[in-house]
Amino acid sequence: GAGVSQSPSNKVTEKGKDVELRCDPISGHTALYWYRQSLGQGLEFLIYFQGNSAPDKSGLPSDRFSAERTGGSVSTLTIQRTQQEDSAVYLCASSFRQGVQPQHFGDGTRLSIL
Amino acid sequence: EDKVVQSPLSLVVHEGDTVTLNCSYEVTNFRSLLWYKQEKKAPTFLFMLTSSGIEKKSGRLSSILDKKELFSILNITATQTGDSAVYLCAVNFGNEKLTFGTGTRLTIIP
Repeated sequence: GAGVSQSPSNKVTEKGKDVELRCDPISGHTALYWYRQSLGQGLEFLIYFQGNSAPDKSGLPSDRFSAERTGGSVSTLTIQRTQQEDSAVYLCASSFRQGVQPQHFGDGTRLSIL
Repeated sequence: EDKVVQSPLSLVVHEGDTVTLNCSYEVTNFRSLLWYKQEKKAPTFLFMLTSSGIEKKSGRLSSILDKKELFSILNITATQTGDSAVYLCAVNFGNEKLTFGTGTRLTIIP
């Protein structure tokens, strides 16, 4: 597509529920990144994919967080047993090639845990 | 520890003024420095800098990197209300993720 597409744009859920966030990168981009932006804080790296592999998962805050990418395209970030501190904007970015080209961001999913 | 610090945290100027935003970093490894503009949603890419002393320019915006002193500046001349946004600086420290500063919130008063 023309840009990075994320869905849903907003998600409100109750504490303890599981959520799935989706990212569709720019066509042809092989690298895909997930970041989290909490209120008043900078963007925090979560995980990145090169193709379908995730060489760096170091930013995932707990084992409740997981992500996968299939077909070298769409990625899903899953948060199990959500907690209130998971409330944030989850941003996805993609780049043509990891580390070399700039990352281009989607509009994000605003997640609110009640 | 890799760290990116932006200053000022916020800035309020009048339309037509020129502003300079600062980004400094501590480095173990350095590959590139990027500037983004964030209005309501997606950060939009402005510049990527890899070499010292080479100015990148786009319209009223320009940016330069000093790898010896470990900082970059973003200049905006003849500011307009549409320049109001949070400006984010990010550094690629030789791994594949970006480390972001907390941003500078720029407000342009008409």
